[in-house]
Formats: sequence, structure tokens, C-alpha cells
Amino acid sequence: GDSVTQMEGPVTLSEEAFLTINCTYTATGYPSLFWYVQYPGEGLQLLLKATKADDKGSNKGFEATYRKETTSFHLEKGSVQVSDSAVYFCALIMNTGNQFYFGTGTSLTVIP
Amino acid sequence: ETGVTQSPTHLIKTRGQQVTLRCSSQSGHNTVSWYQQALGQGPQFIFQYYREEENGRGNFPPRFSGLQFPNYSSELNVNALELDDSALYLCASRRPQGAGNYGYTFGSGTRLTVV
Repeated sequence: GDSVTQMEGPVTLSEEAFLTINCTYTATGYPSLFWYVQYPGEGLQLLLKATKADDKGSNKGFEATYRKETTSFHLEKGSVQVSDSAVYFCALIMNTGNQFYFGTGTSLTVIP
Repeated sequence: ETGVTQSPTHLIKTRGQQVTLRCSSQSGHNTVSWYQQALGQGPQFIFQYYREEENGRGNFPPRFSGLQFPNYSSELNVNALELDDSALYLCASRRPQGAGNYGYTFGSGTRLTVV
């Protein structure tokens, strides 16, 4: 079935460090891919998305490229800030489907 | 747009009781989904409603049921609560199909604790 595998956490980085959170997926068709962010005590906020192979999603300095050949959608940011501390979820939804499949989440803590 | 609003924000129930969680979607959002997020896990799909009819269900027992109303609000009902039902329950809604599957907006969730 369709699924997402996400890098285990937690991840702790110093401010201005480079961030990578790995995400790979399994899908029977053509999914759209997403990164959501969840701050403590809050719901999910869409961070970025990509709807087809080779698309790059970007927002607030975060980027992820839809790689069909490696079935991956790794999240990157060149210089993290303390305010980026949150839990990050990789997710997919089939273009003809009606449910998101989420990874287990990666907790990021950025220290000054 | 006013966003997706869920109520209550926190709730404590006793095992065996019944609970109703509410979601108020944005105007025009005729598709609503509910997710269960256990502590330390990613959200799991419970079911989806489109134009007041259920049109998809995840691996949840029938004691999880829902309703969607014409005013873009919806409910999640859980009967015979079990301790494992303790979780954050998220509602997500979107505009009609033409907006694409990435048009979902999530609410902030209801934290349910079953004791």
C-alpha cells in the first residue's frame, strides 16, 4: 500500500546549521508530496508541496524536490533558526485519492 | 477566510463513554476529513465526508462515526471510548475537487484524553 517513511528523530541543531530530513515514499500511482509542520500544541501547517516528478517545493527557506527515481522528498534548509523548532511531517496523497499518508514525524530543536 | 475551527480544544472522558468533537470549516469547503494523531505518531486517516456523505474510511471500527452538515460544519463521534482513543483529533477541509488535493486546511485539533 501507499506509505511514507521518514527519518527518525529527534534532531538537534545549532542556529544557522544546515538541515536535512529524509523522506521516502511508496505509492502505487502518482502522488502529490507534502511537508507539514506542527508547533507545540497546534495543528498541522502546510510548509511546502510538489505535485509531480522533478517539482521543487519551497517556502520560508525550506526546499524539497520530488524525486521519482529515488522515491524521495527530502526536506532541506540552509540555515535554521530557533523559530524552526517544531515537528515536521512528510506526507503523500494520491491524485485520485482522498486521504493523506503521513510519516511518523521528525522533531527538530534548534539551539542558539 | 476564517480557517478551520475545532472544539473543544481539550477534553477528558472516562472509558466507555461517548464523545462528540466538532469542526467548523471555511465557507465552500464541501470536503472534510478527520485524522487521529496518537502521541509521537503521524496522523492516521479516519474518514472523509463529501457533500454530507461518507466517501472514504480508514482502518477504524464502526464506533467511530461522523456527520457533515450543509453549513460546512462536521462532527466526529466516538462510542464506547477506550484508553487507546486518547489522541489529538484533526479535522481538515478543502474546496471542491477542482482545487486539487493539496487545497486542504487543517484545524488545530482536539486533544482527547480517556481515563
